[in-house]
Amino acid sequence: AQSVSQHNHHVILSEAASLELGCNYSYGGTVNLFWYVQYPGQHLQLLLKYFSGDPLVKGIKGFEAEFIKSKFSFNLRKPSVQWSDTAEYFCAVNGYGGSQGNLIFGKGTKLSVKP
Amino acid sequence: GAVVSQHPSRVICKSGTSVKIECRSLDFQATTMFWYRQFPKQSLMLMATSNEGSKATYEQGVEKDKFLINHASLTLSTLTVTSAHPEDSSFYICSAQGQTNEQFFGPGTRLTVL
Repeated sequence: AQSVSQHNHHVILSEAASLELGCNYSYGGTVNLFWYVQYPGQHLQLLLKYFSGDPLVKGIKGFEAEFIKSKFSFNLRKPSVQWSDTAEYFCAVNGYGGSQGNLIFGKGTKLSVKP
Repeated sequence: GAVVSQHPSRVICKSGTSVKIECRSLDFQATTMFWYRQFPKQSLMLMATSNEGSKATYEQGVEKDKFLINHASLTLSTLTVTSAHPEDSSFYICSAQGQTNEQFFGPGTRLTVL
């Protein structure tokens, strides 16, 4: 069965610090990978996604993620965080090519950015 | 991006009653809608997938008779929690998928069963 693990439950950073949130998945076949963000009081929004091609994916708001197939990882990065990045971040995967059906989510990582 | 709404945003009910939650895609037609459940400090767990005009597909362990899903139109899906009990208290989130295959999430409904 597919599963997604996010290593950090809560990350606290100061503004301008660099961010890396870990995400590992278990699935033997072709995967589609996603990062979602949930700002306080708001609904889930897609941050970026990887289906195929360049394993370094750039998303909105300066975020990027790198798919490393050999490590089953899809870590999220941002060189310099802002206070407005305070949110919960979810990594998700599905094994169905070309679709976002049946997403499997990680438990989420709460990011708190101190001004 | 596309907008998905849920109603109500919060509901409190007595044990044994039924609660209906609506999920609407406001500016696109959703051929598929998904219902998730999220417990505190847990990830979203997919409950069921519904395609317009057909029966929902439930994930393993989800009682179809307890969580009734109707997807009668391309813009509306409903989840009815029948005979709700305190253990059904949770955060229920829907998402809608149109022709782009991207899922757009609703804001969620907080259900509290007393």
